Order: sequence, then C-alpha cells, then structure tokens
Amino acid sequence: DAKTTQPTSMDCAEGRAANLPCNHSTISGNEYVYWYRQIHSQGPQYIIHGLKNNETNEMASLIITEDRKSSTLILPHATLRDTAVYYCIVRPPMNSGYSTLTFGKGTMLLVSP
Amino acid sequence: DVKVTQSSRYLVKRTGEKVFLECVQDMDHENMFWYRQDPGLGLRLIYFSYDVKMKEKGDIPEGYSVSREKKERFSLILESASTNQTSMYLCASSATGHGYTFGSGTRLTVV
Repeated sequence: DAKTTQPTSMDCAEGRAANLPCNHSTISGNEYVYWYRQIHSQGPQYIIHGLKNNETNEMASLIITEDRKSSTLILPHATLRDTAVYYCIVRPPMNSGYSTLTFGKGTMLLVSP
Repeated sequence: DVKVTQSSRYLVKRTGEKVFLECVQDMDHENMFWYRQDPGLGLRLIYFSYDVKMKEKGDIPEGYSVSREKKERFSLILESASTNQTSMYLCASSATGHGYTFGSGTRLTVV
C-alpha cells in the first residue's frame, strides 16, 4: 500500500471547522483514499473515502487535490465528541486482489471548548 | 447498521493457556479481519478471511491461528498465550469493495 503522512496532532476549537491533511505522494491511479477515526477505547469507525472527486457525507467532506498526492478531511463544525485519532489510508481497489487496510499512526485531533 | 460483536471486552489469561477470541458479524459480509493494537505501533493485521474456511496471513501471524467455519463468525486462537500477546484485539468485517466495520475490541492481558 502507498504510504501516507499525517501530522501527529492537531487542535481545534469547538464549533470551528477541523481540516486534517494527509500526504500520499506515491498513490497510484486506481488507489482510493479512506479515512477512519478511533475514539478512545473504541474500534475504528469508517468516515469517508474517495478516488478523484471530492466527497461529502453526513460526517465529513473529503477534498482530494487534482494530482491526488494529498487530501484533506474536513469536519465542518467540530464537537467535543470528534476528539479522536484520524487515520488516512490508501487502498488498492478490490479487483486488484484482496486488499487490506494498513493503518499508520494517524492524527490525534483534540477539540476543545 | 452492521454490528460486529466481540465476545469479551476484557480478558485475563495465564501464560501457556489456549485462548479463543470470538467475533460475529450480522450483515453477511464476505471478509473478516483480526488486528491487534499496541501503543506506538498502531493497528497491525494478524489474519484475514475472504470466505468461509479461507484464511490469509496478515503482517504479524506468528503465534496466532484463525478459524472460519461459518460466514458470520471469525475466531482468533492463541495456541499458547504469552505475555507479549497482551494487547487490544480488534475484529472487523466488510463486504467486498467496501469499508470496514470494527467491533469494540477485546483487551487481553496475559499474566
């Protein structure tokens, strides 16, 4: 799997947008970008994924640069419950074999009042 | 919602014991996975299965085995538990081509 680089930690004020960056400069053309988060003492939770286009769901937005070498996860109005470790993962498509998720160290996001 | 249920939240076992960690999912997913998570090392894949009775080694399979006799159940087996297997164990399942759903984890302590 392509490697990703994320900041170790970030802070965000409650109610403000949290923008979490991820670099994946060696990503291949058919690899997806996935985001998960892990709240303390829980299993990781799927947030969103994308290939080329920007994506939005009820949890977050994913912005992927045109060259696909980096992406940003946006939590539009962060709450205290969004405090978690956020993982950016690059994953080959399933039709290329049985791809699995390889988790890096992630970004610890601390949302403060 | 997909549920992935791990049988125990906390488990304490003695060195040398045979340990079974059970995981059940209720959405007919083909794929199931076992990870362990340790401070500073992140999540590491132990084994995964893409079909009943099928299994594949992950990144750290040594000291572990798995069993998948039914589609909904994926068991992780520690044949002879050792203290270096003290860890948080996380099970996940997915439909092919989709994201993973994780269980809440089992915190295993081997004494």
